[in-house]
Amino acid sequence: DIVMTQSPDFLAVSLGERATINCKSSQSVLYSSNNKHYVAWYQQKPGQRPKLLIAWASTRASGVPDRFSGGGSGTDFTLTISSLQAEDVAVYYCQQHYNIPFTFGPGTKVDIK
Amino acid sequence: EVHLVESGGGLVQPGGSLRLSCAASGFTFSSYAMCWVRQAPGKGLEWVSGISDSDRGDNRYYSDSVKGRYIISRDDSKNTLYLQMNSLRAEDTAMYYCAKSSLGVDIWSPPDSWGQGTLVTVSS
Repeated sequence: DIVMTQSPDFLAVSLGERATINCKSSQSVLYSSNNKHYVAWYQQKPGQRPKLLIAWASTRASGVPDRFSGGGSGTDFTLTISSLQAEDVAVYYCQQHYNIPFTFGPGTKVDIK
Repeated sequence: EVHLVESGGGLVQPGGSLRLSCAASGFTFSSYAMCWVRQAPGKGLEWVSGISDSDRGDNRYYSDSVKGRYIISRDDSKNTLYLQMNSLRAEDTAMYYCAKSSLGVDIWSPPDSWGQGTLVTVSS
């Protein structure tokens, strides 16, 4: 199975400041036929279902604010919140959707400093 | 609007069985791959199982932790996804979410809509 790791485990950022979460896959998740990295990012607020933020490493899902962006290549990926808002307090997970089983990272908890 | 509603969770003894259902609405259910993802209390997300659309022969996929014990299926006439869970263990205790693939029949696209979940507790 592909192992997904995330850092940091916990991140406290001041309102309006940038938050960056890192995700690393144990092997390449690049599908050469379409040159896409099969990495997704989800946001899960306390007591709520997960919400898809980013697919294919950098494609924002419908309705997701543009302060959320995804990037990276190879085996290293990032989720950036350009200006943290109070409603962004949540746990963020990366996931590879390249090989079954589609494994998740352990999550990064983001809070307000 | 996409709507996914899970049901069938509850308390079951180790070794027992449960069948989860996920009623779908707001999209053409038969044209989408679907999956189940679970979350143990206070823990992270774990992909459990996925199924392609019926036109592709209902290809079914499982994580190693549930292979041979769980069966995923779908009834497109009822717009419903199922998860038959047998030989349940304490470590299967979790909230179970059903989710819809973002790109139609492609099971390799991440799920973009999730239900509210149904809680399964395996305990004597």
